[in-house]
Amino acid sequence: GAVVSQHPSRVICKSGTSVKIECRSLDFQATTMFWYRQFPKQSLMLMATSNEGSKATYEQGVEKDKFLINHASLTLSTLTVTSAHPEDSSFYICSAMGGLGTDTQYFGPGTRLTVL
Amino acid sequence: DAKTTQPTSMDCAEGRAANLPCNHSTISGNEYVYWYRQIHSQGPQYIIHGLKNNETNEMASLIITEDRKSSTLILPHATLRDTAVYYCIVKGNFGNEKLTFGTGTRLTIIP
Repeated sequence: GAVVSQHPSRVICKSGTSVKIECRSLDFQATTMFWYRQFPKQSLMLMATSNEGSKATYEQGVEKDKFLINHASLTLSTLTVTSAHPEDSSFYICSAMGGLGTDTQYFGPGTRLTVL
Repeated sequence: DAKTTQPTSMDCAEGRAANLPCNHSTISGNEYVYWYRQIHSQGPQYIIHGLKNNETNEMASLIITEDRKSSTLILPHATLRDTAVYYCIVKGNFGNEKLTFGTGTRLTIIP
């Protein structure tokens, strides 16, 4: 149990385009989902927290208009990187919490974004 | 603010027990100790968590000192696939409390 998937696993896009990343909890309902970003040789940094049906809460320094988060159902959250630039190239990882009666976060496999 | 302190790196021989220490001297009474690991280019994998009692599951054992100021993750029979960065994180277990990742311990299993 507690499987989280992400799609796509890898994406390359041109500067100025938008990219959508999906995060799904496959075998439990996630009341809360989190989005992280990880640059090479660094640790994970939390970007935002989202609860199903409400607006996401963004961490300080994360632009909410650039990183759009939608958590429309208990099994799906999406992160859209709008007008992507090379500095947005990173490893984006989601996690989901709320299933199996615990507050443990279970992570997806990550999405490698490269902006040319 | 770093709530936990871990060694930067450790080596362990394959087949031996890997003991990863973590200091969390400022842990609050309602905070749990969580362990995750991240294999290169993958998302973190949940290992185990505990409050004050020792815990064991199919992956590892967690030993928490009586004063709760430190803990040790034990991988009983390390394999090459256990090579990863291991993160020790303290977190309250209510609401949407977030995980704050430090730099972790890079564990290398040596054949």
